[in-house]
Amino acid sequence: EADIYQTPRYLVIGTGKKITLECSQTMGHDKMYWYQQDPGMELHLIHYSYGVNSTEKGDLSSESTVSRIRTEHFPLTLESARPSHTSQYLCASSDSTRQGVVPYTFGSGTRLTVV
Amino acid sequence: AQSVTQLDSQVPVFEEAPVELRCNYSSSVSVYLFWYVQYPNQGLQLLLKYLSGSTLVKGINGFEAEFNKSQTSFHLRKPSVHISDTAEYFCAVSDRVGSNDYKLSFGAGTTVTVRA
Repeated sequence: EADIYQTPRYLVIGTGKKITLECSQTMGHDKMYWYQQDPGMELHLIHYSYGVNSTEKGDLSSESTVSRIRTEHFPLTLESARPSHTSQYLCASSDSTRQGVVPYTFGSGTRLTVV
Repeated sequence: AQSVTQLDSQVPVFEEAPVELRCNYSSSVSVYLFWYVQYPNQGLQLLLKYLSGSTLVKGINGFEAEFNKSQTSFHLRKPSVHISDTAEYFCAVSDRVGSNDYKLSFGAGTTVTVRA
């Protein structure tokens, strides 16, 4: 049973629309991440958060923005979608407060197509 | 940040045959190593991890991996695959940032297709 949820699973939207991809986790993890995944390419970290009111840009530049108002919620927003934003977006979380290393837990992803 | 190279982008294999997926990373400084599997239309699921200790790590679904520090490798193996092992496999390597803090770098993935 998934403890991290992403909605929608699939989204087809027109150019110029504003979209928000939702990500929620029920594990109380302090850290959350957004990765972008294109076919045949490595996952690229685009945003991460160490906790409430903390957001950082990842290794890959992205026109999206994120917010972390609640521990369990880490939405990603595109103000004006473009075809170049077509990709799969994966949300993940981890817990840095426990002893030892807690592997990332991933959601099922949102496959975004901008037409 | 770590650089992760998965040497094979596609691996076709017959059912019940063994499979090895190769992964090399850029630095031998203290790292954590992971293999994730992604089944079609799903997110990533942890197969196994190496944090310290024995260099041979056993994971779920009969997979195992061997950490080789001198060769900076973490190859994944399964002695006998099933059709259900058809999936994409990602190697991931971390840089230890703090005592419990790390950031993952992923390889480009290896697509395993198991045929009857």
